[in-house]
Amino acid sequence: QSVLTQPPSVSGAPGQTVTISCNGRSSNIGAGYDAHWYQQFPGTAPKLLIYGNTNRPSGVPDRFSGSRSGTSASLAITGLQADDEADYYCQSYDSSLSGWVFGGGTKLTVL
Amino acid sequence: EVQLVESGGGLVQPGGSLRLSCAASGFTLSDYWMHWVRQAPGQGLMWVSHINDDGRTTRYADSVKGRFTISRDIARNTLYLQMNSLRADDTAVYYCARGSGAAAGKGDYWGQGTVVTVSS
Repeated sequence: QSVLTQPPSVSGAPGQTVTISCNGRSSNIGAGYDAHWYQQFPGTAPKLLIYGNTNRPSGVPDRFSGSRSGTSASLAITGLQADDEADYYCQSYDSSLSGWVFGGGTKLTVL
Repeated sequence: EVQLVESGGGLVQPGGSLRLSCAASGFTLSDYWMHWVRQAPGQGLMWVSHINDDGRTTRYADSVKGRFTISRDIARNTLYLQMNSLRADDTAVYYCARGSGAAAGKGDYWGQGTVVTVSS
């Protein structure tokens, strides 16, 4: 069972918007630690998608955006495209575990 | 260009040992925190261990504490994970990741992973 909670799956049609939630607790996101998001395609390494709650690394389209509020974070993907189909993971730091914590991952299906 | 290349994975019997390596290029290990993260077949990501930038602080997930040891060789610019007393539930792809921003920082670069299979 993951420390951060994500929905196992989300789906949307091309062009639509989907949001993936990441629920934490007072020892991680709620303590003010940043949330980061990764995109992973089958058989490949995770790739940093959003860092510091809201920031995009160079090369990541602005269709991807992040937010944080209280003990939760969210990833929004607008203008869905077929090649957005992937697994998405949130990550933060947990002060009680003294290490990174991840969500269980959310599989995005583009219908 | 930043690159991380893992090696050392393989098939090992329960109770056995392996040492994973992560060769870094394009940056110096002594400037960054480094992490090991694993992913069991069909499962999500799980943080395993980290070592801080000055090499003095290491931390481990409870499930590997006392069995795994993270270390680094600055001269070789290589990160290691010594894994002892391996169990079937240690079977996973092991990734090394560069941590940018101290303990709570993001994993901005990841290696391609190395597969560890623990089975008799």
